[in-house]
Amino acid sequence: EDQVTQSPEALRLQEGESSSLNCSYTVSGLRGLFWYRQDPGKGPEFLFTLYSAGEEKEKERLKATLTKKESFLHITAPKPEDSATYLCAVLPGGYQKVTFGTGTKLQVIP
Amino acid sequence: NAGVTQTPKFQVLKTGQSMTLQCAQDMNHNSMYWYRQDPGMGLRLIYYSASEGTTDKGEVPNGYNVSRLNKREFSLRLESAAPSQTSVYFCASSEVVNSPLHFGNGTRLTVT
Repeated sequence: EDQVTQSPEALRLQEGESSSLNCSYTVSGLRGLFWYRQDPGKGPEFLFTLYSAGEEKEKERLKATLTKKESFLHITAPKPEDSATYLCAVLPGGYQKVTFGTGTKLQVIP
Repeated sequence: NAGVTQTPKFQVLKTGQSMTLQCAQDMNHNSMYWYRQDPGMGLRLIYYSASEGTTDKGEVPNGYNVSRLNKREFSLRLESAAPSQTSVYFCASSEVVNSPLHFGNGTRLTVT
């Protein structure tokens, strides 16, 4: 069975304190991995798609990387506006649909 | 450009009542989806429509029905609501199946 595990469940950072969020997965034949950001009371907002091990994508203070077993979302010098829940979703091979992780709730304190 | 619009935003039902959640997208996407989000669980797919005229079950379809009314609109119906259906429901769309999802802002449903 496909599994996606995100860690930590919650993370509290001081403004400017860089860190990484982890998404580990067990799927049959990964076709893609997605990162989303979700603000309270809102729907998830798409950030990145990664397709193969070694791939990296960047957007402002965020950088997503992918290995054969996990993905990291690195946050460099975060600001309070980066506070949100970050969701990872994996797309297995075959005709399966995406499986979402439960998310990491990030709080950045001024 | 509104993206994905869901109505209503909030709803309270009594056990056994029925209701329809509405969703519309203006991005000319082919695929549309209904998810539910519960505390401590990831988003779970209820039903999806790969293209206009088709619908398929997702991970948790029991107790729900869907209608792809046209390319823009995809509705979710609860025929006889149960407390276990208390959740936040998200509609999403994508250009094609399994491409990045664009979500609405959700419907918060409570069944008492």
